[in-house]
Amino acid sequence: DAKTTQPPSMDCAEGRAANLPCNHSTISGNEYVYWYRQIHSQGPQYIIHGLKNNETNEMASLIITEDRKSSTLILPHATLRDTAVYYCIVRVNFGNEKLTFGTGTRLTIIP
Amino acid sequence: DTGVSQDPRHKITKRGQNVTFRCDPISEHNRLYWYRQTLGQGPEFLTYFQNEAQLEKSRLLSDRFSAERPKGSFSTLEIQRTEQGDSAMYLCASSLTTSGSRNEQFFGPGTRLTVL
Repeated sequence: DAKTTQPPSMDCAEGRAANLPCNHSTISGNEYVYWYRQIHSQGPQYIIHGLKNNETNEMASLIITEDRKSSTLILPHATLRDTAVYYCIVRVNFGNEKLTFGTGTRLTIIP
Repeated sequence: DTGVSQDPRHKITKRGQNVTFRCDPISEHNRLYWYRQTLGQGPEFLTYFQNEAQLEKSRLLSDRFSAERPKGSFSTLEIQRTEQGDSAMYLCASSLTTSGSRNEQFFGPGTRLTVL
């Protein structure tokens, strides 16, 4: 699986949009971009994933650049409950089942 | 609650003792995974099962570690002759893989192991 690079930490004011970047310059054509988050003392939680098109669900939006070498996870209206470590993972879907986590971005939402 | 459950949530043991953890996946999920997480790091893959078959093992899984999933339901992870370096959070996850699915893994709350 391709390696990802994320900033170690970020702050965001409550109610504002949180934009979390991820670089994955060695991503292969069949690899998806997945985002998970881990709230303190809990297991990781799936947020969203995409291949090359932008994606949106009830939790977040995922913007993938045209060359697919980077992406941004957007939490549109951050709340205190969004304080967590966010992991960007690239993996094939079917055929390589494990998730390879990096150290992620520790996002702190400030009241 | 129909999520992934793990037992115990915390385990303190002395070096050299054996420990066993249990994971109950979401009902009907065919895949079950074990990960290990140390402080400040992301989870690291250990092994995974499809139904009762263990299909992949990480080189992190030394011969002191063994995992089983009898009958394709719950799973156990046993660590023999524990070492202080085994201290970590052990996470279990499950997924249901179907055609066109997002292949999401659902994680349990983890078992925190402390080896004294």
